[in-house]
Amino acid sequence: AQRVTQPEKLLSVFKGAPVELKCNYSYSGSPELFWYVQYSRQRLQLLLRHISRESIKGFTADLNKGETSFHLKKPFAQEEDSAMYYCALSGISGGYQKVTFGTGTKLQVIP
Amino acid sequence: NAGVTQTPKFQVLKTGQSMTLQCAQDMNHEYMSWYRQDPGMGLRLIHYSVGAGITDQGEVPNGYNVSRSTTEDFPLRLLSAAPSQTSVYFCASRAELSTDTQYFGPGTRLTVL
Repeated sequence: AQRVTQPEKLLSVFKGAPVELKCNYSYSGSPELFWYVQYSRQRLQLLLRHISRESIKGFTADLNKGETSFHLKKPFAQEEDSAMYYCALSGISGGYQKVTFGTGTKLQVIP
Repeated sequence: NAGVTQTPKFQVLKTGQSMTLQCAQDMNHEYMSWYRQDPGMGLRLIHYSVGAGITDQGEVPNGYNVSRSTTEDFPLRLLSAAPSQTSVYFCASRAELSTDTQYFGPGTRLTVL
């Protein structure tokens, strides 16, 4: 079974402070991991994926297979970063590819 | 491209009523799925499809039916609505590869009284 855990429901940081949104996963094979973001009153959209090793809007995430983690980081938070963030894992379960989401972390950036 | 579209945007049902949430995509994606989003629960997979004619259950399939007669459409049917099905429903689609991005619809906010 595949599982994604986001331990924090809410993370409040001041503008300019570093941000780290935690994500841990459980999966027996090689996972494909993603971060999705949902801004207020908007649909979910992809933020980044581990295979691309990219930085989007200043965010980065590194896959740590030893710790089974895929934490999302940004060195300096901006007010426009306030949103709901979901970590997701794509893997094979029951013979088919499935995408499992974590419960999400609401990031609140305080001016 | 319209991307992923969902109708209706809002719906209020009485307990026991049935209805169909519509989802369509124009990106020729093979993989489509339905999620429900509840506070504190995140996104939970209801049903998914890996291509026309192929569907399977997700984490929370009870009370919902799906079918995939075409690549474009993936409707979600509520057979007999219950208050526990009050939620926001998202449809998503993805091309075949596991590394591909999922594209989400705008969501349907359903209230069951």
